Amino acid sequence: AQRVTQVQPTGSSQWGEEVTLDCSYETSEYFYRIFWYRQLFSGEMVFLIYQPSFDTQNQRSGRYSVVFQKSFKSISLVISASQPEDSGTYFCALSELITNTGKLTFGDGTVLTVKP
Amino acid sequence: EAAVTQSPRNKVAVTGGKVTLSCNQTNNHNNMYWYRQDTGHGLRLIHYSYGAGSTEKGDIPDGYKASRPSQENFSLILELATPSQTSVYFCASGPGLDNYAEQFFGPGTRLTVL
Repeated sequence: AQRVTQVQPTGSSQWGEEVTLDCSYETSEYFYRIFWYRQLFSGEMVFLIYQPSFDTQNQRSGRYSVVFQKSFKSISLVISASQPEDSGTYFCALSELITNTGKLTFGDGTVLTVKP
Repeated sequence: EAAVTQSPRNKVAVTGGKVTLSCNQTNNHNNMYWYRQDTGHGLRLIHYSYGAGSTEKGDIPDGYKASRPSQENFSLILELATPSQTSVYFCASGPGLDNYAEQFFGPGTRLTVL
């Protein structure tokens, strides 16, 4: 069974600081992707970045990057130079290739507050 | 720009009533999904579809039906709404050719069942 856990319900940082949000997951599959989404205060879900399981290189996209520890089934989202506009809820989600549905299994999210 | 729209954005229903939530996408994506999000939690998959005429059960399908009459439209139907179905419902679309690709989400529908 697939499961995603985000143990930090909340997080905070000061403007300009680097922020790390953690996620762990359970899967018995070899091929999968981990997605990170941000939910704005309006409720809108915004895609940030994804990490394929078969890629040993940590993915980067603008100020977002991940630290992927496949053997520990752990992945962290790193936001560099955080800004107050980065505040919101960040979700980690797992998609397994074997199901071939594109289905996402979400964690419960981490609410991030970036203080000016 | 990918676009997924939902209607209505807010809905108040009575217990036992029928509720239909609608979703439209202009991405020409094959796959569409319905999720629900309860306060303080992540999204959970209710139903999904691979294309017009297809619907599949997700992780929490009980009490819900889905309909995909066309590539663009995907509806979620609550035949007999219950207070436990009070939640925010999100529709999403995905390419389908690459089931690994990110999904694009609609703005959500807040449903309250009294």
